[in-house]
Amino acid sequence: DIQMTQSPSTLSASVGDRVTITCRASQSISSWLAWYQQKPGKAPNLLIYKASSLESGVPSRFSGSGSGTEFTLTISSLQPDDFATYYCQQYDYDYTFGQGTKLEIK
Amino acid sequence: EVQLVESGGGLVQPGGSLRLSCAVSGFTFSDHYMDWVRQAPGKGLEWVGRSRNRAESYSTGYAPSLRGRFTISRDDSKDSLYLQMNRLKTEDTAVYYCTRSDATGYSVYWGRGTLVTVSS
Repeated sequence: DIQMTQSPSTLSASVGDRVTITCRASQSISSWLAWYQQKPGKAPNLLIYKASSLESGVPSRFSGSGSGTEFTLTISSLQPDDFATYYCQQYDYDYTFGQGTKLEIK
Repeated sequence: EVQLVESGGGLVQPGGSLRLSCAVSGFTFSDHYMDWVRQAPGKGLEWVGRSRNRAESYSTGYAPSLRGRFTISRDDSKDSLYLQMNRLKTEDTAVYYCTRSDATGYSVYWGRGTLVTVSS
């Protein structure tokens, strides 16, 4: 199984901050990585696929980078609507999610 | 507009069975890969399994830990996806989401989910 590890588990930040979430794979997954945002009581929402491709309709302040085993999700300037939990998912072999990063208001 | 609506969740005893349904609209069902993803209360996301499209003969795949207990099927005449869950365990308690997925593996559209509670 490919294990996905996100860091940090919790991140406190303020509106306007630039934040970065990291996702590491236990083995190389090329660029087969997606990022999702989930708000309480709601289904996840796709943000990024193939490591750096922005899903249609997602604000450009979200960006993804990386390949191989290390990936990042960056929000360039936090907005109030961005406080949520973020998950990475590898889809190179089967499909595995990271444990999530909760982005909280500082 | 793409819509996915899950149903069939509820309370079931350990060892019991349950069948979830996902009714879809807004796209040609047979053209698309469909997945089930679950989320235990307060926990992260876990991929359950996948049904490929007609071009791939509707072949299925499952998370290794669930293979043998869970079965995915679909009925194109009803635009519906199903998840048959047998020999349920307390650890199967979760919200089960139906998703329409890209062939490579990520989930583009998600339903609202249906809650399955396995408890005596």
